[in-house]
Formats: sequence, structure tokens, C-alpha cells
Amino acid sequence: QSALTQPASVSGSPGQSITISCTGTSSDFGGYDYVSWYQQHPGKAPKLMIYDVSNRPSGISNRFSGSKSGNTASLTISGLQAEDEADYYCSSYTGSGTRVFGGGTKLTVL
Amino acid sequence: QVQLVQSGAEVKKPGASVNVSCKASGYTFTNYYIHWVRQAPGQGLVWVGIINPSGGSTTYAQKLQGRVTMTRDTSTNTVYMELSSLRSEDTAVYYCARCWGVDDAFDIWGQGTMVTVSS
Repeated sequence: QSALTQPASVSGSPGQSITISCTGTSSDFGGYDYVSWYQQHPGKAPKLMIYDVSNRPSGISNRFSGSKSGNTASLTISGLQAEDEADYYCSSYTGSGTRVFGGGTKLTVL
Repeated sequence: QVQLVQSGAEVKKPGASVNVSCKASGYTFTNYYIHWVRQAPGQGLVWVGIINPSGGSTTYAQKLQGRVTMTRDTSTNTVYMELSSLRSEDTAVYYCARCWGVDDAFDIWGQGTMVTVSS
């Protein structure tokens, strides 16, 4: 299973909005709407930010939102803050309990 | 509180095996699946496999089939991941993570275990 495709890096200034894309094939996403997004700061474990394409876990800021169209999922962060600087990974359920991750995107807050 | 606590860092020689543990607390162990995810230095996350702590059934990433084995001990609420015939490319941080349903996202992660394979 090949990794989902994400841009290697994105950047934005404080207060701006950015969007990170996550592209796969129909078999990667398997026709499911089970895409999740994770934030990872250096040396730390990943943290769940979005699940089931567009749902936020309790405690996650509403500045984070997710969407999906066809074989591309997206994570949008509005009102960028310095603490948003991190690596972001998308992940999709691919059937029978299996998962695939994107290659990761490094977000730089200028 | 709900947490997954993993065993400490390991250094192994090529060809050896490593066993990493993940102890769950703060929730009903058999109600959540446990996945293993690895991350080579400077690289992205890669899914390794899943175990159902309730019945012990497993599914592994195709690339690691035959070398990875996941087991669980319901008496200690602990999941184990054994990786055999270690190669330098197995050097990575290994994370365990839980999910409620077989298709759900990973809501709680362990702190990670660094496994270094070096002669």
C-alpha cells in the first residue's frame, strides 16, 4: 500500500489560513469517509486533530477543520498561531482494520 | 487517566528480535483495538498492524508479514509487538495507539519506543 500524497511543506503567517491536501486513489480511501489528521511536534507522539473527515475531538480548537472531495482530503487551519507549527499527517482506513498514512507535511508559521 | 505506557528503548543487532510492550490503563482494555505505527528517523508514520485485545485477532502490514507478531495479555492489560530478523531499516520509533471501532481514528497514543538496529 503506497502512502497517501501530501505536500512536503506549507507555510503561513500568524492569523492566516492554510490548507494541507491528502491525495490517494479510490482503493486508498476505499470508499470510506474514515480520514483522520494528526499533529506531531518534534520528539512527541502524534495527536488526533480530525476524525471521520471533518469531526473534531473534544478539546481541539475550531480553527482546525477537515473536508474531502473525491480522492482528496484536506485539513484547513485558520487563524494560524505559532503553536500550530508542527508536522501533520493524514490517515485513511483501507478495510479489514488496515490503515495508510500520508507522507506528512511540515507546517511553518512565519 | 487513560494512557498507554510503552517499554523503554532497545538496541539490537541485525538478525535479532525485539519485543516492545504497551500497557493500557484508565479504560476497559478489551473495548479498544490497539495499533502499532512506526516512524524511522526524520521520516513519516507507517502503519504496522492491529490487534483486537478482546479475541487476540491480528492483521499486519503486508511489508512486515512473517516478521511481526502481536499478542496481548488481558491479565495485565498489555499488548506486545515482536519484530524478528531485524534489519537496519527497522530502526524507528514504534508507537502503540488505540481506537474504539475497527475503522476509527487513533485517539490515544503511547509515548513511543526507540528501537535501534546496529551492528
